[in-house]
Amino acid sequence: GAVVSQHPSWVICKSGTSVKIECRSLDFQATTMFWYRQFPKQSLMLMATSNEGSKATYEQGVEKDKFLINHASLTLSTLTVTSAHPEDSSFYICSASQGPVDTQYFGPGTRLLVL
Amino acid sequence: AQKITQTQPGMFVQEKEAVTLDCTYDTSDPSYGLFWYKQPSSGEMIFLIYQGSYDQQNATEGRYSLNFQKARKSANLVISASQLGDSAMYFCAMREGGKEKLTFGTGTRLTIIP
Repeated sequence: GAVVSQHPSWVICKSGTSVKIECRSLDFQATTMFWYRQFPKQSLMLMATSNEGSKATYEQGVEKDKFLINHASLTLSTLTVTSAHPEDSSFYICSASQGPVDTQYFGPGTRLLVL
Repeated sequence: AQKITQTQPGMFVQEKEAVTLDCTYDTSDPSYGLFWYKQPSSGEMIFLIYQGSYDQQNATEGRYSLNFQKARKSANLVISASQLGDSAMYFCAMREGGKEKLTFGTGTRLTIIP
């Protein structure tokens, strides 16, 4: 149980394009989903927290207009990197939990490379 | 101040030996939870074990156990009988009180030597 999928697993795009990443909880309903970013050899940095049906809460320093998050259902959240630039290249990983203070289960991550 | 501190950037351990990965934390909240995750080279974060601040006993999950020393604010992960497949990054994380957010340490890269 507690399986979270992410799609795509990797993406290469040109600078200026937008990229959408999907995060799905496959065998449980995820009231809360989290989006993290991880640079090489570094820890995970929380970008935002989203609760189903509500607007996402962004961490300080994360541009909400740059990183659009939608959590329209209990099994799906999406992160859209708008007008991506090379500095947005990173590993993006989502997690999902049944409730806000339950264990977070992570997806396999998405590697984004912006040329 | 760092909320989660992992002082071992890397460790090398002989296969079948036990290994302890250190984690200390800092919080003034009496209610908190401590987590350990494993991240193989593939990138996914695998949940290993959880310890609540009010739990009386140390958490155990198969070969994983958590050495919880509340007074010292430490939550070390112990892996018994290490296997080659245990080679990965290991992250300690904390959630305080009723908050949703997890705070991660900087991780320890564990390499198991055959």
